[in-house]
Amino acid sequence: DTGVSQDPRHKITKRGQNVTFRCDPISEHNRLYWYRQTLGQGPEFLTYFQNEAQLEKSRLLSDRFSAERPKGSFSTLEIQRTEQGDSAMYLCASSLAGMGGLGYTFGSGTRLTVV
Amino acid sequence: SQELEQSPQSLIVQEGKNLTINCTSSKTLYGLYWYKQKYGEGLIFLMMLQKGGEEKSHEKITAKLDEKKQQSSLHITASQPSHAGIYLCGADEYGNKLVFGAGTILRVKS
Repeated sequence: DTGVSQDPRHKITKRGQNVTFRCDPISEHNRLYWYRQTLGQGPEFLTYFQNEAQLEKSRLLSDRFSAERPKGSFSTLEIQRTEQGDSAMYLCASSLAGMGGLGYTFGSGTRLTVV
Repeated sequence: SQELEQSPQSLIVQEGKNLTINCTSSKTLYGLYWYKQKYGEGLIFLMMLQKGGEEKSHEKITAKLDEKKQQSSLHITASQPSHAGIYLCGADEYGNKLVFGAGTILRVKS
């Protein structure tokens, strides 16, 4: 297993465009998380899935953001009508529910720049 | 919700010196994670602490969770340029997700 993979690594988009990011978790992990990190801040929780069910969404996740995990494996995060304030690093993590002591594994992130 | 405060926000140390980073929680910690991050990259897991008084070490990095489980410290002995980066503490909130502090930026001067 190569760990948590995120694609693309970098994305530059014009304001108003839609973007979609993909995350492939560790195959044995049933939980998948999305975080957003801006410069000088720690990662902020956006949402998480257990298998294909989205169990929690942060208030940070506006209506322009949608996340899916249709088959309980990979996940996508879509941002519609991007704004400059969406510029950030988007991090994905996965874990195994009930085995918290084994930790959360993070991907390398997708850096979004909205111009 | 749980809030984590890290101190200092940043520090610069001379290579070979020791340093300590602190993480204080607004609530009792049931799982405290330490990660390291290079600028523009993902998080690298360092250590996880669960029990009050627990201490773990890996190479030259030692992390402790105090008895009351509301504060953790990360200590680096004989710092090296490879230790430079952002150190993040994260609290396991109800076993559902991690809540992070703002991070501590470490620079090591050689």
